[in-house]
Amino acid sequence: GNSVTQMEGPVTLSEEAFLTINCTYTATGYPSLFWYVQYPGEGLQLLLKATKADDKGSNKGFEATYRKETTSFHLEKGSVQVSDSAVYFCALKLTGGGNKLTFGTGTQLKVEL
Amino acid sequence: GAVVSQHPSRVICKSGTSVKIECRSLDFQATTMFWYRQFPKQSLMLMATSNEGSKATYEQGVEKDKFLINHASLTLSTLTVTSAHPEDSSFYICSATGTGAQNEKLFFGSGTQLSVL
Repeated sequence: GNSVTQMEGPVTLSEEAFLTINCTYTATGYPSLFWYVQYPGEGLQLLLKATKADDKGSNKGFEATYRKETTSFHLEKGSVQVSDSAVYFCALKLTGGGNKLTFGTGTQLKVEL
Repeated sequence: GAVVSQHPSRVICKSGTSVKIECRSLDFQATTMFWYRQFPKQSLMLMATSNEGSKATYEQGVEKDKFLINHASLTLSTLTVTSAHPEDSSFYICSATGTGAQNEKLFFGSGTQLSVL
């Protein structure tokens, strides 16, 4: 079946540190890959996405590259801010699957001054 | 942007009682709504998909008589956990997608933490 595996949190970083949150997937076919972010008290929001191999999604300084050979979609940011503190969810969607997403467990990020 | 409002954000109830969770699309017509559940340290799992005016489609292993979903209007879907038990304690999240500009995009509620005593 389809699944998404994320690194366990919480991840605690100092401001301006480099961030990596690992995400790997298992899927039948060729999925689209997503990162969602949930800020405290809010709903999940789409952060970035990639729809095919070697695509790079980017938004708000975050990047993730769709690596088919390693079935990975790791989230990175060069310099995190306190305002980036949130829970980050990796997800996949199969082609023809409508809006049905398969999520990972979510990784909580805490950024401290 | 489009907003989905979910209430309550937190609810504590006694075992055997029923709990209703509401999910409203505030500025668009939600033709399809999804209900997810997340147990601690586990993935966000899809429970069911509901289309306005139709019966919900439940994922394998989800009891439809226990988790009643109503999507009677284009702006409101409800999830009722009937005869709740401690093992139903979980985080429940709804999401919605609409037509036109809201199609192909998912908008999420902020979630409901259910604790059954």
